[in-house]
Amino acid sequence: AQSVTQPDIHITVSEGASLELRCNYSYGATPYLFWYVQSPGQGLQLLLKYFSGDTLVQGIKGFEAEFKRSQSSFNLRKPSVHWSDAAEYFCAVGPYGQNFVFGPGTRLSVLP
Amino acid sequence: DAGVTQSPTHLIKTRGQHVTLRCSPISGHKSVSWYQQVLGQGPQFIFQYYEKEERGRGNFPDRFSARQFPNYSSELNVNALLLGDSALYLCASSLEADYGYTFGSGTRLTVV
Repeated sequence: AQSVTQPDIHITVSEGASLELRCNYSYGATPYLFWYVQSPGQGLQLLLKYFSGDTLVQGIKGFEAEFKRSQSSFNLRKPSVHWSDAAEYFCAVGPYGQNFVFGPGTRLSVLP
Repeated sequence: DAGVTQSPTHLIKTRGQHVTLRCSPISGHKSVSWYQQVLGQGPQFIFQYYEKEERGRGNFPDRFSARQFPNYSSELNVNALLLGDSALYLCASSLEADYGYTFGSGTRLTVV
């Protein structure tokens, strides 16, 4: 069965600092991997996705993620965090064209 | 272009009542999925519909049902509401050939 773990429930970083959010997955085949962001009371916005090819994926808002098959990981990174990045971040995995399994989320707080 | 629209945005129901949630996908999107997000958790898959047929069902009781109409809009119905059904219900749509879902802002259901 597919599953997603996000080891960090809550992360706090200072504005301008770099960020890495961890995501590990369990999936029996080639996974399709996603990162979504959710602001309080809002729906989910797709940051980036990985299907195949280059293992370093660029997304919106300056985010990137790296797929490491050997580690079953898909960590999200940003070189310099802005106060507006404070939100909940969800990693998700799924097969093509079907439902996704989401991780429990990581809440990001940004200090001024 | 309009995104995924959901209605209503908020509603309060009493235990035992029935509720219908509505979703209009992005124009041209043929696949609609429903997710339940309980406070503090990641979204959980409920249903997926494609071309008006059910393609997947998550681990939810039969009190939950859904359908997709010829215009690809969708309804999620929940009977005999329980307090535990209180959650944010998210609808997402995707193109047949697009692997990333676009989510709506959700319907916040409170059961009292």
